[in-house]
Amino acid sequence: KAGVTQTPRYLIKTRGQQVTLSCSPISGHRSVSWYQQTPGQGLQFLFEYFSETQRNKGNFPGRFSGRQFSNSRSEMNVSTLELGDSALYLCASSFGEGYEQYFGPGTRLTVT
Amino acid sequence: TQLLEQSPQFLSIQEGENLTVYCNSSSVFSSLQWYRQEPGEGPVLLVTVVTGGEVKKLKRLTFQFGDARKDSSLHITAAQPGDTGLYLCAGIFKNAGKSTFGDGTTLTVKP
Repeated sequence: KAGVTQTPRYLIKTRGQQVTLSCSPISGHRSVSWYQQTPGQGLQFLFEYFSETQRNKGNFPGRFSGRQFSNSRSEMNVSTLELGDSALYLCASSFGEGYEQYFGPGTRLTVT
Repeated sequence: TQLLEQSPQFLSIQEGENLTVYCNSSSVFSSLQWYRQEPGEGPVLLVTVVTGGEVKKLKRLTFQFGDARKDSSLHITAAQPGDTGLYLCAGIFKNAGKSTFGDGTTLTVKP
């Protein structure tokens, strides 16, 4: 069974631009969660989608948004990028609440 | 607030040594996961423990779940440089259903 895939793997953007990251979950998984990981802050939860509905949201500004499609694929968008948005963005999928999560390889975003 | 505390935060040892890292909470887990993450990559799931007192072995790695399901430990025997990485624990709390992650233990094994 194929694992979680994320595209692109690496991205360089300029401050003020916007970016869209994509995540394809493991087949059969309906829950997709997004995390931001930085050296100083560890793994920070952004949001979780289940069956196209945002079920949980972390403590991030409204510049961070996401959506999930009917095939469970998910996208995350960050608008008006700031230097502090530079991080590894991780997507994880699972069958749903109470089930273990499986991570993708991440997208390394660098904002200059 | 439901928190997962991992200790130690950093660990640097020589190849061949044994080590144990810990994951603790004041709340009860329905299950707990251990992940290993290498720089620039996503965390890879190593094991899930569910039953209090459960012990699982994965080659040189031994995972134990506390009897009360509030804590867990990961023991590595004869560590190798390939064991280097960030070890994360994640708990699914009994009354929440969501995953919560610890801040991890960064392990460096020197040849």
